Amino acid sequence: DGGITQSPKYLFRKEGQNVTLSCEQNLNHDAMYWYRQDPGQGLRLIYYSQIVNDFQKGDIAEGYSVSREKKESFPLTVTSAQKNPTAFYLCASWTGATNEKLFFGSGTQLSVL
Amino acid sequence: KQEVTQIPAALSVPEGENLVLNCSFTDSAIYNLQWFRQDPGKGLTSLLLIQSSQREQTSGRLNASLDKSSGRSTLYIAASQPGDSATYLCAVGDRGSTLGRLYFGRGTQLTVWP
Repeated sequence: DGGITQSPKYLFRKEGQNVTLSCEQNLNHDAMYWYRQDPGQGLRLIYYSQIVNDFQKGDIAEGYSVSREKKESFPLTVTSAQKNPTAFYLCASWTGATNEKLFFGSGTQLSVL
Repeated sequence: KQEVTQIPAALSVPEGENLVLNCSFTDSAIYNLQWFRQDPGKGLTSLLLIQSSQREQTSGRLNASLDKSSGRSTLYIAASQPGDSATYLCAVGDRGSTLGRLYFGRGTQLTVWP
């Protein structure tokens, strides 16, 4: 069953702590994205990766870091430098230019303790 | 930078009504426009994708139109049902940006009551 898996569904961060959100896809897509969603707001792009071992900053990259060591995996680390991390985080992958569709995971809700 | 606006922000209608959700964007140089559905606490599900060369797309009771020159798209939902209750998001792919990167509106929260 192909798709994007995000874990955990809920995550709590203590002051000064780094936390990592997992995103795995078995769709064989090259491009992957991380978006942040705040209540009543549109999705904002944090980071994206078009190919393994390469990634680019989006509109709100400060306080976040990513890696892309495998095609299937694109983990997002929320560092202690991100002062307002409470949000819903969505990972997505892109089918490519022939289909152009974006597929999303089910999201991770991050809250601060 | 591309700005996407959706009107109305919220809509509450009785079952059976036909309804229209609106989306506008500031830069007409797009390569596609997508409508998504989001249920509470869930990810997004793609409903319809319109290429920049197309005028509309249809899927079941859903019809989306695109007018690039005026920077507008509408999502028409026929014979609405309680199961249609969700937030509907519009997103555009901008020709000036990386392929696959989308700009999103804030969404229209739809409630269909029996």
